[in-house]
Amino acid sequence: KAGVTQTPRYLIKTRGQQVTLSCSPISGHRSVSWYQQTPGQGLQFLFEYFSETQRNKGNFPGRFSGRQFSNSRSEMNVSTLELGDSALYLCASSSASSYNEQFFGPGTRLTVL
Amino acid sequence: AQSVTQLDSHVSVSEGTPVLLRCNYSSSYSPSLFWYVQHPNKGLQLLLKYTSAATLVKGINGFEAEFKKSETSFHLTKPSAHMSDAAEYFCVVSGINDYKLSFGAGTTVTVRA
Repeated sequence: KAGVTQTPRYLIKTRGQQVTLSCSPISGHRSVSWYQQTPGQGLQFLFEYFSETQRNKGNFPGRFSGRQFSNSRSEMNVSTLELGDSALYLCASSSASSYNEQFFGPGTRLTVL
Repeated sequence: AQSVTQLDSHVSVSEGTPVLLRCNYSSSYSPSLFWYVQHPNKGLQLLLKYTSAATLVKGINGFEAEFKKSETSFHLTKPSAHMSDAAEYFCVVSGINDYKLSFGAGTTVTVRA
């Protein structure tokens, strides 16, 4: 079974731009979660989607948004990028029967200049 | 709310000697606890999980962890370290019907030849 895939793996953007990251979950998994990893703040929860509905959201500004499609693929968008948004963005998927056993993708490394 | 505290930010061991990574948790109810490993420039890999069954949990690659409610601890051990164990390890907690994972700050493991 293929694992969680994330595209692109690396991104370089400038302040003020917006960016969209994509995540394809493990086949059959309907829950997708997003996390931000930075050296200063560690791993922080962004949001979680299940069957195209956001079920939980972390403490991030409204510039961070996401969505999930009917095939469970998910995207997250960051608008008006700031230098502090530079991070590794990790996507994780889980099954409905074991929602907190999450399987992570390799991440997207975003650099904001 | 639930949280975890990893007591050591860095652990250095010699190859072939035991590894101990310490984690204390805080939760108002019975938590689910996990250990994840992250190798450089890679995503997170689940090592093991505790979900209120046996208190001694065996994971992959020879790792195991013991849940001690009286001490609110979930320490990770391995009898004999291998060079490939050099990585960052995260203790993680999830609550009941909680769709997010809360991560500890991480412990970096260095293995000396």
